[in-house]
Amino acid sequence: AQSVTQLDSQVPVFEEAPVELRCNYSSSVSVYLFWYVQYPNQGLQLLLKYLSGSTLVESINGFEAEFNKSQTSFHLRKPSVHISDTAEYFCAVSGAGGAQKLVFGQGTRLTINP
Amino acid sequence: SAVISQKPSRDICQRGTSLTIQCQVDSQVTMMFWYRQQPGQSLTLIATANQGSEATYESGFVIDKFPISRPNLTFSTLTVSNMSPEDSSIYLCSVEGGREDTQYFGPGTRLTVL
Repeated sequence: AQSVTQLDSQVPVFEEAPVELRCNYSSSVSVYLFWYVQYPNQGLQLLLKYLSGSTLVESINGFEAEFNKSQTSFHLRKPSVHISDTAEYFCAVSGAGGAQKLVFGQGTRLTINP
Repeated sequence: SAVISQKPSRDICQRGTSLTIQCQVDSQVTMMFWYRQQPGQSLTLIATANQGSEATYESGFVIDKFPISRPNLTFSTLTVSNMSPEDSSIYLCSVEGGREDTQYFGPGTRLTVL
């Protein structure tokens, strides 16, 4: 079984500042890792994912996350945030191989202040 | 990625009644999943639905309360039966198709039970 811990329930930052949203996971098997974003009153959108290969993965809107197996982490970072990044961010894990359930963290609410 | 729609987008229901939520996908998919997101909480998997077989329920969820149908590879329904205010949540379906080993989510159904 897998579990996910998002260490910060809320993260307020100023516009154009860097941000890191922390995610740690626990699993006895190989995993796939995901970050989903939920904008206000919307559904979940896939932001980025790690399945295999390069441990550094990037999204089209400037976010990146690095899979660190030794620290069992998958932290999400962005060097300069925008007001439009205000949303709830969920880290999720599944067993590797597909067709497996996602286990979600509790979410981190990112608030960008002007 | 798949395009997923859900109906209804939101509803307000009376205690003791039932609501059926529909999930439609624009392509054939093997795996469909139903999740619940309680107010201010993360997502929890209710069940996994494969076409042609009975849904598999997670601990804490039972078929009598959340019956699921999966009549074909593009459609599924979740019924929330004998509702109580504690069932007030967002219900989301997700699909995993092709070889992406990634789940994509519908927009969700926001249910309020009075």
